[in-house]
Amino acid sequence: KAGVTQTPRYLIKTRGQQVTLSCSPISGHRSVSWYQQTPGQGLQFLFEYFSETQRNKGNFPGRFSGRQFSNSRSEMNVSTLELGDSALYLCASSIEAGAYNEQFFGPGTRLTVL
Amino acid sequence: GENVEQHPSTLSVQEGDSAVIKCTYSDSASNYFPWYKQELGKRPQLIIDIRSNVGEKKDQRIAVTLNKTAKHFSLHITETQPEDSAVYFCAASIRGSARQLTFGSGTQLTVLP
Repeated sequence: KAGVTQTPRYLIKTRGQQVTLSCSPISGHRSVSWYQQTPGQGLQFLFEYFSETQRNKGNFPGRFSGRQFSNSRSEMNVSTLELGDSALYLCASSIEAGAYNEQFFGPGTRLTVL
Repeated sequence: GENVEQHPSTLSVQEGDSAVIKCTYSDSASNYFPWYKQELGKRPQLIIDIRSNVGEKKDQRIAVTLNKTAKHFSLHITETQPEDSAVYFCAASIRGSARQLTFGSGTQLTVLP
C-alpha cells in the first residue's frame, strides 16, 4: 500500500505570495492532519480534516487554511506569506476518527519564503 | 492548551548502552502518547505508543512507561545501535484525539560505535 504523499516536495516563494500544498493520504484513510516543523518551534499542529470537515485547528493565524476533498486528499493554503512561514509542512493520515489511530506522516513540503 | 516538555535535548551513548528520554505533559485529558523517530531529511515514524490505561509497553529493545499521576512518560532504548541515532519526539494527544498531537522539542540521540 502506498504511503502518504505530498506535493510539491520543495517550494520557494517570496513574501506576500500565497501557496497551496497538497497531501494524498494512504488509501482508505479518511483523516488528514497538518503540522508545521521549524527548528525553533518544533512540530506544531495546524489542523485536522475528517470526511471533508475541519475538526480542529491549532493556534495559527487565519492566513493558514485547508480543505479536504471527497477522496480524502487534502490541501493547505497559506496566504500573504511571511519569512517566518519558512518550514517543513507535514501531513499525516490515519484510518478513521478513533481515539488511538496511528498517524502516518508524509515526506513533507519544504517551503522557503524569501 | 497542552504543553509537552522533553529532556534531554541531546544524548550521546556508547553502542550497547541504554538511552532514556523523558517527557512531561500538562493536560490531564491527554490519553495517547506516541513516540516518533525522525532521521535526517526523513519523515517522522512511529516507533511505539502507549494509551493512558496502560503503565508500560515494550517492543523488542524499545519500551515506554507512563505515570499518569505525575504526568510523565519515558522512552527506554536498550542495547543501542548506531542506526538508533536520530531525533526522537514524544507527543501527547490534544483533547483526547490521536490525530491532534502536541510534540516535545525533540532529543538528538547519537550512538557512538
